[in-house]
Order: sequence, then structure tokens, then C-alpha cells
Amino acid sequence: NAGVTQTPKFQVLKTGQSMTLQCAQDMNHNSMYWYRQDPGMGLRLIYYSASEGTTDKGEVPNGYNVSRLNKREFSLRLESAAPSQTSVYFCASSEQAGGATQPQHFGDGTRLSIL
Amino acid sequence: AQRVTQPEKLLSVFKGAPVELKCNYSYSGSPELFWYVQYSRQRLQLLLRHISRESIKGFTADLNKGETSFHLKKPFAQEEDSAMYYCALQTGGFKTIFGAGTRLFVKA
Repeated sequence: NAGVTQTPKFQVLKTGQSMTLQCAQDMNHNSMYWYRQDPGMGLRLIYYSASEGTTDKGEVPNGYNVSRLNKREFSLRLESAAPSQTSVYFCASSEQAGGATQPQHFGDGTRLSIL
Repeated sequence: AQRVTQPEKLLSVFKGAPVELKCNYSYSGSPELFWYVQYSRQRLQLLLRHISRESIKGFTADLNKGETSFHLKKPFAQEEDSAMYYCALQTGGFKTIFGAGTRLFVKA
């Protein structure tokens, strides 16, 4: 009963390094999302994938890329990490049924620090 | 601009007291609103959604379009209700805007 699984849980990077955050869901959901959460702020959408084969920018996409590898997996890549990208990253998924709004299911989060 | 405001960062009440977590939103379309909760050492999870009009764990929330609010209420708080609560506005089907969250602390 894993739901949404994120790896790694913690990571420390140096400025300029690259990294990929992995996310997988086992609920056969069509839609997947990446958020970041900074202190005192709500979750902000980085990218989302409405369905397999599509990705779209969210509110704060700069400095990130994503890949919807298949229906289960949605990865987030930082090509050249910057201290401003220090945050907690959450992956989520939802079942989109004919345009009806569905709640999202979240992973445990990845705490990323960039020095 | 689309926005969700939770004015209280921290709300502390005694066990058995009523609790109300405030949420106001700004959105010109027809809103889809949710409350999510994160208990200690657990994942963020859905508590309730306005379209369901249901009570979950004794919590209810009513959408007031006139006041653009979606406050979360419970008549008698329990210690196990202590958690972080997020109000969320879903727009366009895929984009969700979260409030900054309110930490509820229920004292014995």
C-alpha cells in the first residue's frame, strides 16, 4: 500500500550540481505533480503531467525539468542547483476522470539542501 | 490574482473547545476547494472537499461564495486533531493553490 513513493528522502548538493528526484505511484493515476514547499509558504506547483506523455509548467518552473517516464513515474530534474532551490519537494498524483476534479495523493517529500 | 489565505499560522485550543480554521480565497471562476491535513510523521492527505458536503472526523467546511471563504470547523476539538491544516483551491482542473497552512494545537 505504498501510494506515492519519493526518493531520496534527503539530499545535500553543492551549487551547480545536478540531481533527479524520483517519484512513482501505484494507484494507476493519470495525473502527477511536483510541488515545492518553503518555510511559511504553501505548496507551489512546479510542473504537472495531466496524463502520460504530457507535461506542463506550473507556478514556479524555472530551473527545473520533468519527465513523465510512464504512467507510474514522474521525475524532477535540477540541471544546475542553486541555493534558492533549497526546499522540501513533494510529488503527488490524482485520478482525473473526464475533467472532474479529484483530490491529490502525496508522497513523503524530499528535503533538499543546496550549499 | 488567484490566492488562498489562511490568516492564522498557529491556533491553540483546549480539548473539547470549538475550533475554526479560517480560509479565504480569491478566484474569479467557480472554485473547487479542499482541506488537507498533515499529522505528525504522516503524509499530507485529503481531509474533505466542498463538493462532497460531508463531515470527516467531526470536521465540516462550508463554501461561502459571498465572503469567498471555506472555513473548517469542529464543535469539540480532540487532542488527535493536532496537525497542520492546508486549505487548497483547485483551478482549471490541474492547478492547485495552497494556503500557507495553520498549525492546530489541541491542549489537554
